[in-house]
Formats: sequence, C-alpha cells, structure tokens
Amino acid sequence: NAGVTQTPKFQVLKTGQSMTLQCAQDMNHNSMYWYRQDPGMGLRLIYYSASEGTTDKGEVPNGYNVSRLNKREFSLRLESAAPSQTSVYFCASSDGQGTSYEQYFGPGTRLTVT
Amino acid sequence: AQTVTQSQPEMSVQEAETVTLSCTYDTSESDYYLFWYKQPPSRQMILVIRQEAYKQQNATENRFSVNFQKAAKSFSLKISDSQLGDAAMYFCAYRGSSNTGKLIFGQGTTLQVKP
Repeated sequence: NAGVTQTPKFQVLKTGQSMTLQCAQDMNHNSMYWYRQDPGMGLRLIYYSASEGTTDKGEVPNGYNVSRLNKREFSLRLESAAPSQTSVYFCASSDGQGTSYEQYFGPGTRLTVT
Repeated sequence: AQTVTQSQPEMSVQEAETVTLSCTYDTSESDYYLFWYKQPPSRQMILVIRQEAYKQQNATENRFSVNFQKAAKSFSLKISDSQLGDAAMYFCAYRGSSNTGKLIFGQGTTLQVKP
C-alpha cells in the first residue's frame, strides 16, 4: 500500500498563475482532507470531502477549489496564486468508521508563490 | 468553535530523560477524540497516540503516554527515555463526534533532544 500520495512535492509559482495539487489514497477511505501548514499556526483545514460526491469548506477555503474526482482522488486547485498561499499543503484521508477516525497524511507539497 | 492550544513553542530534553508536552483544548462536546502527531524534519505526519474522551484510562504506546484531564480540558504527552529520534515537531489535535472526521490542530511544539 502506498497510503496517501501527493504530487508535486515542490512547486514555485508566480503570482496569478494557477495549479492543481493532486492527492490519491489506496486505503478505500471515505473521507479526504486538505490542510495547509504555516509556521506557528499548526495545520488548518482548507476543504474536506466526507464522502465521495461531497465537499465542504474548512477553516481557510478562500482562494481554493477542490474536486473529489472519485473515491481515491481529491484535488486542490489554486486559480490565481497569491504570495499568502505560500505554505506546505497536506492531503489526508480517514475511513470515517470505527471509534478513532485516525487520519493518514501524505508527504506534503511545499508551494512558494513569488 | 473548538480550539486547541499548545503554549510551549519549543522544548528541550536530555537524551534518556523524560519530557512532557502540554496541550489544552476548548469544546462543548462530551464525545470527542484527541491525538498527538509527530512531524520530523521529513515533514511526514506520524500518529503517536490517541485518546477517546469516553475512556478514563490514559492511553500509552511504549515510551509515550498521555495525561488526559477531561474536566480541565488538558491532554499532555509524556515521552519517557527520550531518544534522538524523538526530535521533531509535535502537534496536538482534536476531533469532534461528527462523522466528518475533521481535525483541529494546535500550533505545535518543537522538541529538541540533546545527546
């Protein structure tokens, strides 16, 4: 099992450019999440998909869009990148069952917007 | 809204000694779950330990244990016999009882382990 995979690992964008971060999981999980990590602020939820076919905003959704392409894949799109979106982005998944709802994280994407 | 606070931005411990990382949270829910995640320099988020709020017994995983004080809304992590490989950033996280599974993270504590 690869777990949760993310592409790319690093990206540099100019202000105004667009890009899509890809995420896939092979654990047959129902729920998927996108977080951003900034120094001193922990991880903050951008968007999530509790199940295939649904998406909802998290704490910091402005400037982002998401697509739950199928049960495995959940992409995050920046339509017009801004320097404030410089961050490390993590995708995560969980099975939504059981008592712990443990989330499994991808390796992260370091994005720099100049 | 729920919040999670880690008031120690940085901590250090001597190898083989014990260190405790603090975490407090605020919630009006009675059922929830708490987690400690470790993030080494590789950036990978690794689950260290979890606690279900309905369980009175504190969770333990080898050298890692928690002190869960539900009334005080406190969830500290104790690392015994610290090893160099324990050096990392540690995040406390809260998950409520809804089926969305969303996590709310604290700001993180960077742990340095001195040889």
